[in-house]
Amino acid sequence: GAVVSQHPSWVICKSGTSVKIECRSLDFQATTMFWYRQFPKQSLMLMATSNEGSKATYEQGVEKDKFLINHASLTLSTLTVTSAHPEDSSFYICSARQGSTPQYFGPGTRLTVL
Amino acid sequence: GQQLNQSPQSMFIQEGEDVSMNCTSSSIFNTWLWYKQDPGEGPVLLIALYKAGELTSNGRLTAQFGITRKDSFLNISASIPSDVGIYFCAGRENYGQNFVFGPGTRLSVLP
Repeated sequence: GAVVSQHPSWVICKSGTSVKIECRSLDFQATTMFWYRQFPKQSLMLMATSNEGSKATYEQGVEKDKFLINHASLTLSTLTVTSAHPEDSSFYICSARQGSTPQYFGPGTRLTVL
Repeated sequence: GQQLNQSPQSMFIQEGEDVSMNCTSSSIFNTWLWYKQDPGEGPVLLIALYKAGELTSNGRLTAQFGITRKDSFLNISASIPSDVGIYFCAGRENYGQNFVFGPGTRLSVLP
């Protein structure tokens, strides 16, 4: 149980375009979802936390207009990287939990912006 | 805010050796989690600890919830090449709070 999926697993886009990444909890209701960013050989960097039906809470230094997060249902959250630039290239990982359970992570999405 | 430290930052060991790593916090926690991240993948939950002094195993992995409630330990016995990856600890002070993650311990296993 506690499976989280992400789609796509990798994406390449041109600079200036927007990219949407989906995160789904497959066998539980995710009351809270988290989005992380990870650079090569670096730790997890929390970008934002979202509760279903509420606006996301962004960490300091993360531009909310750049990284749009929508947690519209108990099984789906989306991260849209708007007007992507090469410096946005990274590994994006979502995580979800139901109530006070541990967080379960998705497999990650590798974004490359040309 | 809460800070988690993980030690060591990285380690290189020979296949077959045992591994020990730890995680310390500046706050008292009521839950500790240990995850492993394989290269190019998302972290996978290995062990969850909910009680001070608790010792829990998952195969060759054993984790302990420190009695001070400010630390946790992860041991891997008889390491194998597939143990390579980053091990993250996470903890929280109360059930309603979000987990705080450590910076990770990067493990390399030499054949």
